[in-house]
Amino acid sequence: EAGVTQSPTHLIKTRGQQATLRCSPISGHTSVYWYQQALGLGLQFLLWYDEGEERNRGNFPPRFSGRQFPNYSSELNVNALELEDSALYLCASSQRGVGNTIYFGEGSWLTVV
Amino acid sequence: GENVEQHPSTLSVQEGDSAVIKCTYSDSASNYFPWYKQELGKGPQLIIDIRSNVGEKKDQRIAVTLNKTAKHFSLHITETQPEDSAVYFCAASRSGTASKLTFGTGTRLQVTL
Repeated sequence: EAGVTQSPTHLIKTRGQQATLRCSPISGHTSVYWYQQALGLGLQFLLWYDEGEERNRGNFPPRFSGRQFPNYSSELNVNALELEDSALYLCASSQRGVGNTIYFGEGSWLTVV
Repeated sequence: GENVEQHPSTLSVQEGDSAVIKCTYSDSASNYFPWYKQELGKGPQLIIDIRSNVGEKKDQRIAVTLNKTAKHFSLHITETQPEDSAVYFCAASRSGTASKLTFGTGTRLQVTL
């Protein structure tokens, strides 16, 4: 069974541009979570989508947004990129209502120059 | 909201010794406590989890203990091996669809020969 898949693996953008990251959850999972992990730091919760709706949002500015598609895949968009947005962006998925066991993908490295 | 503290931030042990990582949480309603292992350049991998209806869980060389009264839980790794070297994250959440995992700040474990 395929795990959580993310694309692209690496992305380099210029300050002020927009970045789009994509995630496909484990088959059968309806919840998708996005986390930001700056170099050497912990995991900061960004967004949680379930059944196509945004369920919760972390302490990030509105230029971080996303959506979940009918097939439960998800997209994270970061507008007006800033240098400090450089980080590993991790997507995770879980079955809805099954104790929040979440499984992570390998992440997308975003570098803003 | 939930706050999870994790100690130590770095831990160095000799191969074959035991390693213990401790976490405390603030939300007495939290009832799900997973541990993740993150190797360099990879996404976090779930290694063990515990729910609040049990006090201890073991899986080969890994065990987790939970003290609900004191609101702390610990990861124990016995007979450590070089491949155990990684960053370990604890997390806490309430079960159910309306919550999210809150992570500790991570422990970098180095197993030396």
